[in-house]
Amino acid sequence: EVHLVESGGALVQPGGSLRLSCVASGFTFSNSGMHWVRQGPGKGLLWVSGINGDGSSTKYADSVKGRFTMSRDNAENTLYLQMNSLRVDDTAVYYCTRVHTNTWYDGFDIWGQGTIVTVSS
Amino acid sequence: DIVMTQSPDSLAVSLGERATINCKSSQSLLYSSNNKNYLAWYQQKPGQPPKLLISWASTRESGVPDRFSGSGSGRDFTLTISSLQAEDVAVYYCQQYFSSSPYTFGQGTKLEIK
Repeated sequence: EVHLVESGGALVQPGGSLRLSCVASGFTFSNSGMHWVRQGPGKGLLWVSGINGDGSSTKYADSVKGRFTMSRDNAENTLYLQMNSLRVDDTAVYYCTRVHTNTWYDGFDIWGQGTIVTVSS
Repeated sequence: DIVMTQSPDSLAVSLGERATINCKSSQSLLYSSNNKNYLAWYQQKPGQPPKLLISWASTRESGVPDRFSGSGSGRDFTLTISSLQAEDVAVYYCQQYFSSSPYTFGQGTKLEIK
């Protein structure tokens, strides 16, 4: 069965750092483009970042560019999101999700349950 | 950025009736070289992650009931639930992947039972 399991969410002060992880199982991780999508409290979905299958290419939303870094370890089937200089408006549930095909251009067909990041003093 | 606008923001439909959700993009999502529309629809139930229902504007994902259908092209798209069931209560989002930087979602449409 296909699974994505996120971890690493926590309460952190503004300006702090956090690293999220997402462990994949049930599919060939190294052949899959992966993304992070977040959802603020009571809000809609916001794409955060994406990475291709071999990790050679990444993309970021303007709101996180320069502060967040996405990476992956295909040997460990794990996706990461390093989040620095966190702001109150980064507070959200962060979902790890897979692109349906190993391209940048398709829907997101597998989602984790999410991990909660709260940025507050 | 491509702006996705859904209408209505909320919708109440009787069980067994048709539900229609619209999505409009600020630029065409039709790629002329392959004649495909780069649009997906998701369903999100309370406390759950989103679920991909439809990709390429009209291709239903495996396991999605056939009462769900997607239509439209260019800038205007529609998600239709032909006969609403109680388990369809959710928030529905459209998403464009014509531009991968950034991908953008509609604001969501909350579907309830009348």
